[in-house]
Amino acid sequence: AQKITQTQPGMFVQEKEAVTLDCTYDTSDPSYGLFWYKQPSSGEMIFLIYQGSYDQQNATEGRYSLNFQKARKSANLVISASQLGDSAMYFCAMRDFNTDKLIFGTGTRLQVFP
Amino acid sequence: DAGVIQSPRHEVTEMGQEVTLRCKPISGHDYLFWYRQTMMRGLELLIYFNNNVPIDDSGMPEDRFSAKMPNASFSTLKIQPSEPRDSAVYFCASSTGTQRPPLHFGNGTRLTVT
Repeated sequence: AQKITQTQPGMFVQEKEAVTLDCTYDTSDPSYGLFWYKQPSSGEMIFLIYQGSYDQQNATEGRYSLNFQKARKSANLVISASQLGDSAMYFCAMRDFNTDKLIFGTGTRLQVFP
Repeated sequence: DAGVIQSPRHEVTEMGQEVTLRCKPISGHDYLFWYRQTMMRGLELLIYFNNNVPIDDSGMPEDRFSAKMPNASFSTLKIQPSEPRDSAVYFCASSTGTQRPPLHFGNGTRLTVT
């Protein structure tokens, strides 16, 4: 069965610093995709970055990068040069390509302070 | 593109009443997902459809919950009878195919059952 674990309920980071949000997953399927979403206080779900299980390189999207360690089954999100607007909930998610099911972790609340 | 459209944005109802949540996915998307978000349980996958056919409804909490997708542009999630513990934000999301394309989320329906 699929499982996503985010062990950090909350994180603090100072503006302009980098921060890593942890995500580990479990699946028996070799084909899957990993996603990160941001949910600001307004409530909408915003897609940030994607990593496929067969992708050779770690995904990057602007200030977001994904530290993908397949053997450890981890897909940590790295946000560089944090901004006050990065304060939000961050969710890791996994899509099993066999079933197309997409499940979410419990989220990490990031607070960026000046 | 209008994005995923959910209605209503807010719903307040009394225990025992029937509640119907509506979703219009992005045109051309063949997958539609319903999620429920609460503080205690995070984002739970309730049910998802592929080409209007329900694929996995194992997340539907009880028989009081039902979901339909009569055509490619409309889905409903019905709760009958509603209970206070059903209070949550319900998200609808859609995507094209599987693998890389991310889910696009609606703005959610905040349901309060008194």
